[in-house]
Amino acid sequence: EAGVAQSPRYKIIEKRQSVAFWCNPISGHATLYWYQQILGQGPKLLIQFQNNGVVDDSQLPKDRFSAERLKGVDSTLKIQPAKLEDSAVYLCASSLGNWGRETQYFGPGTRLLVL
Amino acid sequence: KNEVEQSPQNLTAQEGEFITINCSYSVGISALHWLQQHPGGGIVSLFMLSSGKKKHGRLIATINIQEKHSSLHITASHPRDSAVYICAVTVADSNYQLIWGAGTKLIIKP
Repeated sequence: EAGVAQSPRYKIIEKRQSVAFWCNPISGHATLYWYQQILGQGPKLLIQFQNNGVVDDSQLPKDRFSAERLKGVDSTLKIQPAKLEDSAVYLCASSLGNWGRETQYFGPGTRLLVL
Repeated sequence: KNEVEQSPQNLTAQEGEFITINCSYSVGISALHWLQQHPGGGIVSLFMLSSGKKKHGRLIATINIQEKHSSLHITASHPRDSAVYICAVTVADSNYQLIWGAGTKLIIKP
């Protein structure tokens, strides 16, 4: 079974530029999550999708971050414009249902450095 | 005060030692999770607990709901166990809201 795929693996941009990350969850997984993990901290949930609907985006900085999962499969996360404090690893995860009850599978992450 | 706290933050031990990582939480939960993160970012879910104890190979996870405390134990530790171990809880009566601990960085020296 293929795991959660993410791209790119690394990205370096200058502040005020835009960046987009892509995630392809495990086939058949209804729930998809985007996390931000700043060095030395635990992951912070940015947004949770159930199929193509948003379940929780309470911690997503909506003035600069956006995410979509139009067909209920793969997803993109965009930052526009980026700030220095956005430097982090962005993790995508998926689960068959809601993770409170089921195992969540993580992708390798995209490491973003904003200069 | 964080709602999920782990201790210690950092732990260095010799190969073969018995390792214990602790997690305390202050909210009502429906489940507690232990995850492992290796350098490079990949995260693997180790255990999901709502009561009692689970064992998988050399890893053992326990939870005491009354005391709001969980422990992750590693027996016969090995350098390949070196990773960050993260505790996370699913908040009870929420829309599966998750609260994550900051992680414990474990280094096992040969």
